[in-house]
Amino acid sequence: EAGVVQSPRYKIIEKKQPVAFWCNPISGHNTLYWYLQNLGQGPELLIRYENEEAVDDSQLPKDRFSAERLKGVDSTLKIQPAELGDSAVYLCASSLKAGLGETQYFGPGTRLLVL
Amino acid sequence: QKEVEQNSGPLSVPEGAIASLNCTYSDRGSQSFFWYRQYSGKSPELIMFIYSNGDKEDGRFTAQLNKASQYVSLLIRDSQPSDSATYLCAVKEEYGNKLVFGAGTILRVKS
Repeated sequence: EAGVVQSPRYKIIEKKQPVAFWCNPISGHNTLYWYLQNLGQGPELLIRYENEEAVDDSQLPKDRFSAERLKGVDSTLKIQPAELGDSAVYLCASSLKAGLGETQYFGPGTRLLVL
Repeated sequence: QKEVEQNSGPLSVPEGAIASLNCTYSDRGSQSFFWYRQYSGKSPELIMFIYSNGDKEDGRFTAQLNKASQYVSLLIRDSQPSDSATYLCAVKEEYGNKLVFGAGTILRVKS
């Protein structure tokens, strides 16, 4: 079974440029998450989708970040314009369903460097 | 914002010893608790989860939960150099299904 797929794996851009990340969850997983992980910190949730619906986007900086999950499968996360402080690893995760022992499986992440 | 606290380490143990990793959390209503391992430059991978008070064992790993003290720990028996990684504690909030991660503890197992 294929795991969570993310692309690109690495991205270097100049500040004020736009950038987009793509995620394909594990087949059959209804719940999809985007996390941000800074060096030396744990992942922080940006947004959670249940199928096509964003059920928790309270931590998403909506002035510059946007996300979509069309058809309830793949998802994209966009930053426009990027700032120096956005340099981090962006992790996508998926799970079968929300619940007590729900297991989130993480993709390899996209390492973003904003110059 | 609910908090999950971990000692950043590094925790150094000799090969074959028991490594003890600890985590405290602030949301008293939290129901489930997860331990993830993250190798340098890699993404987190689940080791185990626990939601009942007491111990849960899986191979060389034992998770311990004490809800009254809001404390969860991970014991690694017979530590191996391949166990050297950052261990992330994650707690599911009582409402909203949000998983809150600690900053992680760096474990170094020396041969």
